[in-house]
Amino acid sequence: TAGITQAPTSQILAAGRSMTLRCTQDMRHNAMYWYRQDLGLGLRLIHYSNTAGTTGKGEVPDGYSVSRANTDDFPLTLASAVPSQTSVYFCASSDSRASTDTQYFGPGTRLTVL
Amino acid sequence: GQNIDQPTEMTATEGAIVQINCTYQTSGFNGLFWYQQHAGEAPTFLSYNVLDGLEEKGRFSSFLSRSKGYSYLLLKELQMKDSASYLCAVMDSNYQLIWGAGTKLIIKP
Repeated sequence: TAGITQAPTSQILAAGRSMTLRCTQDMRHNAMYWYRQDLGLGLRLIHYSNTAGTTGKGEVPDGYSVSRANTDDFPLTLASAVPSQTSVYFCASSDSRASTDTQYFGPGTRLTVL
Repeated sequence: GQNIDQPTEMTATEGAIVQINCTYQTSGFNGLFWYQQHAGEAPTFLSYNVLDGLEEKGRFSSFLSRSKGYSYLLLKELQMKDSASYLCAVMDSNYQLIWGAGTKLIIKP
């Protein structure tokens, strides 16, 4: 199985432009997450979804939006990109009903905003 | 606030043993995770502890003391491929993961 896929792998974006980062999982996990990873900092949660049709805000949600129309897909949208959104973005999923609720990560999207 | 502390960088020799420590202060505790992350790649799950004690999985072991807010990851018989960052994360009372900044482990021949 593919697990979790993300697209694009990398992107250079002009400030002020919008962009959607795609994330798809085939493990039928109910929960999905978006993180950003910056040098010297731990992974920071942007948004999450515990089940299709619901979303929630994480630690750093400003400037980002998400939707969860179905179980498999969890796109992250930057409405008007700013240079501080330059980062590596990871999507993750988990079966939150399982005893360990382990999160599994996609390969990441490296985004540069100029 | 919530806080996860781990050393920024460690160096060890191939074939040796290394212990990576993690201390935490979180609002609630629902388990502690260790992940491995090679440069330019995604984090991959290594271990999970929710009860005090040692969990062994091949060359890797993870220990937890909830009363001390402390965990360590022990790597034995180090191999060059173990060069990576090791991330400690705690699941808080809201079942969200709080992540440490990671420990970069450098293995020398």
